[in-house]
Amino acid sequence: AQSVTQLGSHVSVSEGALVLLRCNYSSSVPPYLFWYVQYPNQGLQLLLKYTTGATLVKGINGFEAEFKKSETSFHLTKPSAHMSDAAEYFCAVSDDFGNEKLTFGTGTRLTIIP
Amino acid sequence: NAGVMQNPRHLVRRRGQEARLRCSPMKGHSHVYWYRQLPEEGLKFMVYLQKENIIDESGMPKERFSAEFPKEGPSILRIQQVVRGDSAAYFCASSPSVRTGHTEAFFGQGTRLTVV
Repeated sequence: AQSVTQLGSHVSVSEGALVLLRCNYSSSVPPYLFWYVQYPNQGLQLLLKYTTGATLVKGINGFEAEFKKSETSFHLTKPSAHMSDAAEYFCAVSDDFGNEKLTFGTGTRLTIIP
Repeated sequence: NAGVMQNPRHLVRRRGQEARLRCSPMKGHSHVYWYRQLPEEGLKFMVYLQKENIIDESGMPKERFSAEFPKEGPSILRIQQVVRGDSAAYFCASSPSVRTGHTEAFFGQGTRLTVV
């Protein structure tokens, strides 16, 4: 069985500061890892994903994440926060090549302080 | 992801009524996934369907919930005799049918069900 743990249900950072959202996973097979963003009353938008290859993955809106197998982590970062980054962020894992059944973390709400 | 269409966006039902949620996948997609998001929680997988087939329903409650994806028309998530605990956002996602590599699921904007 796979699971995802997101540390910190609420994170606040100042505009221009580093954003770090933490995600740890457990999976019995090499995982596929995802970060999604959800704006209020909206659906989920894919920020980035790791499947194979380079462990540092770059996504949209200046976000990136690094897959660290030894730490079973896939933390999301952005060097400089912008007000428009305020949203809910979900880490997800899939262990089945060929379908997109995802196991999600409980989410981290990011607040940007002006 | 605007291509996955869910309707209605908001649905209010009284306890005991039926709720029908519709999902039209993106063009060319024949795989549909339903997820439920309870307040202050992440999304929980419910069911995975392909055209006319239920592939994985391990996340579906045993009673009152059913899903279908007919050959023609949208996928339907049906909740019979709704209770207040069914109040949640229900999201549909779709993915392509041709597998040349791991792809991504595209999500709709969700249906927010409120049971009063």
